[in-house]
Amino acid sequence: QVQLVESGGGVVQPGGSLRLSCAASGFTFRTYGMHWVRQAPGKGLDWVAVIWFDGSRRFHADSVNGRFTISRDNSKNTLYLQMDSLRAEDTAIYYCVRDAEAGMGRDYWGQGTLVTVSS
Amino acid sequence: SSELTQDPAVSVALGQTVKITCRGDSLKFYSASWYQQKPGQAPIFVIYGQNHRPSGIPGRFSASTSGDTVSLTITGAQAEDEADYYCQSRDSSGNLYVFGSGTTVTVL
Repeated sequence: QVQLVESGGGVVQPGGSLRLSCAASGFTFRTYGMHWVRQAPGKGLDWVAVIWFDGSRRFHADSVNGRFTISRDNSKNTLYLQMDSLRAEDTAIYYCVRDAEAGMGRDYWGQGTLVTVSS
Repeated sequence: SSELTQDPAVSVALGQTVKITCRGDSLKFYSASWYQQKPGQAPIFVIYGQNHRPSGIPGRFSASTSGDTVSLTITGAQAEDEADYYCQSRDSSGNLYVFGSGTTVTVL
């Protein structure tokens, strides 16, 4: 079965960096687009970034553009999110999400990893 | 970028029908998907477009679209349908994605 397991969350000071990983299994990772979505405590869902199946194109939300970078290693079935210049407002649960075939929805979600930006 | 607007909360009597709406300019051009999230859990994918439901999602969930508004309808709401529901689509550029503000559904 499809599994997405995030790791790398934790507490970091403002201005610091963190790299999240998402280990994928149960499907042919290299053929699917992938997303990061976050959710601040008590708030709604917030789309962060998307990367195409082959890594050839990637896009980031305006709120993180220039600070966060999505990437993937298809040989390791792993998705990444490099987060730099972190701010308090980046505090959230970060979910790794698979794009459904033909982009028809985001069909599988990981359980998330918590990132806390605080001094 | 584009915004998607949802009503904050709706309630429905057990077994009755409820419609959740999502409004935004980009919905005139791009399809939307819907997600259900219960407290302390990750979201789950409910439906895409007019009626592409993943396996395991009950048939009482359906979707429709009209102009700049998409709707999720629960026909015969059950207690387990009580949750937050989010719509998602693309922004006006087509490259970025955006979520609606979310609707809390309470089943009475």
